Amino acid sequence: EAQVTQNPRYLITVTGKKLTVTCSQNMNHEYMSWYRQDPGLGLRQIYYSMNVEVTDKGDVPEGYKVSRKEKRNFPLILESPSPNQTSLYFCASSLGTAYNSPLHFGNGTRLTVT
Amino acid sequence: GDSVTQMEGPVTLSEEAFLTINCTYTATGYPSLFWYVQYPGEGLQLLLKATKADDKGSNKGFEATYRKETTSFHLEKGSVQVSDSAVYFCALSDRLAGNNRKLIWGLGTSLAVNP
Repeated sequence: EAQVTQNPRYLITVTGKKLTVTCSQNMNHEYMSWYRQDPGLGLRQIYYSMNVEVTDKGDVPEGYKVSRKEKRNFPLILESPSPNQTSLYFCASSLGTAYNSPLHFGNGTRLTVT
Repeated sequence: GDSVTQMEGPVTLSEEAFLTINCTYTATGYPSLFWYVQYPGEGLQLLLKATKADDKGSNKGFEATYRKETTSFHLEKGSVQVSDSAVYFCALSDRLAGNNRKLIWGLGTSLAVNP
């Protein structure tokens, strides 16, 4: 089944403790992206990647890192999480970079930083 | 910059009622328009899309027509079911955004359908 898989689904951590949220897609998609979803703010892009070893900042990259060593994986790294990073995170992928190519989303990771 | 405005929710309807969720946009380029749906506890799924003016996207009984003259992309369904209860997001992807497939999102409209 074609899908985007995120892990974990839920994560509670403390300020400053490094964490990684994994994202993997099995559709051979070139494009991958991370979003965060917050009440009243909607979805905002954190980082995106157009292919292996090619990543770039989205709208809200501060406090996050990503890597794209393999085409299928696009982990999101929080080196020193803070409470303002408490949010619902989504990974998404797309077949190409065509502007009308739909995004496929994972089921989300709900992160709480205390 | 580009933006998407959706009607605020929540919207509560009885089963078999007619649904309209309004969406208007501003864009400097030539956007594609999308409706995504988010069921409880799940990620967003593409519901329908339209890539140019006057296109009509449709799926699962939902329809939306790309109206360039009114910069709108309203979502409609003639007869909603309880299983349609979800949050609906309108979004645009602008050709001028280049290779970044970033979507500009509305804030979402929550729909609850009662039996």
